[in-house]
Amino acid sequence: EMVLTQSPGTLSLSPGERATLSCRASQSFSSAYLAWYQQKPGQAPRLLIYGASTRATGIPDRFSGSGSGTDFTLTISRLEPEDFAVYYCQQYGRSPPNTFGQGTKLEIK
Amino acid sequence: EVQMVESGGGLVQPGGSLRLSCAASGFTFSRYWLTWVRQAPGKGLEWVASIKEDGSQTYYVESVKGRFTISRDNAKSSLYLQMTSLRAEDTAVYYCAWGWGSHDYWGQGTLVTVSS
Repeated sequence: EMVLTQSPGTLSLSPGERATLSCRASQSFSSAYLAWYQQKPGQAPRLLIYGASTRATGIPDRFSGSGSGTDFTLTISRLEPEDFAVYYCQQYGRSPPNTFGQGTKLEIK
Repeated sequence: EVQMVESGGGLVQPGGSLRLSCAASGFTFSRYWLTWVRQAPGKGLEWVASIKEDGSQTYYVESVKGRFTISRDNAKSSLYLQMTSLRAEDTAVYYCAWGWGSHDYWGQGTLVTVSS
């Protein structure tokens, strides 16, 4: 079964800085099936990226995704105050289970 | 505007049953896979189950197989999750979500608490 490991567990940065979040898979899979979500307290997750690098509708271009095989990255080029949240990666291949990473908490330094 | 609204959560004793509903609007319901995702208090997201557009295929996370049943009524634009033999570890906010993966739309969630 696929396991997604996100690192770091917590990332402390200041507004204006660049954030790099990692998602590593236990098995290689197609980048077409990798998504990133943002979740704020008390809210449902929000889709940011799908297909590893395609921004969802309405997502600012400071968010970008990259990677292939087993290593994927979400980059936030210049942090805004509203970007501090928990981020999850998800793989949703052709067969289940669809797996989420354990999350990275992005907090204000 | 796409809307997905869950209902049916609550407090239930271990071994009990509960049926969650998700009423959807703003998109052609019958054309899309639908999914339930849950989140235990203070924990991460966990995929629970998904159902094909016409209901002919369903998939479950191992921990709920044989206890949970996902279903849908395309005429009513509604998704369901029948949960039986509930355990303390099923305590979570349950979200319905659009699609098989890369979920563009989510409901606000409904809390299920399994406790005596």
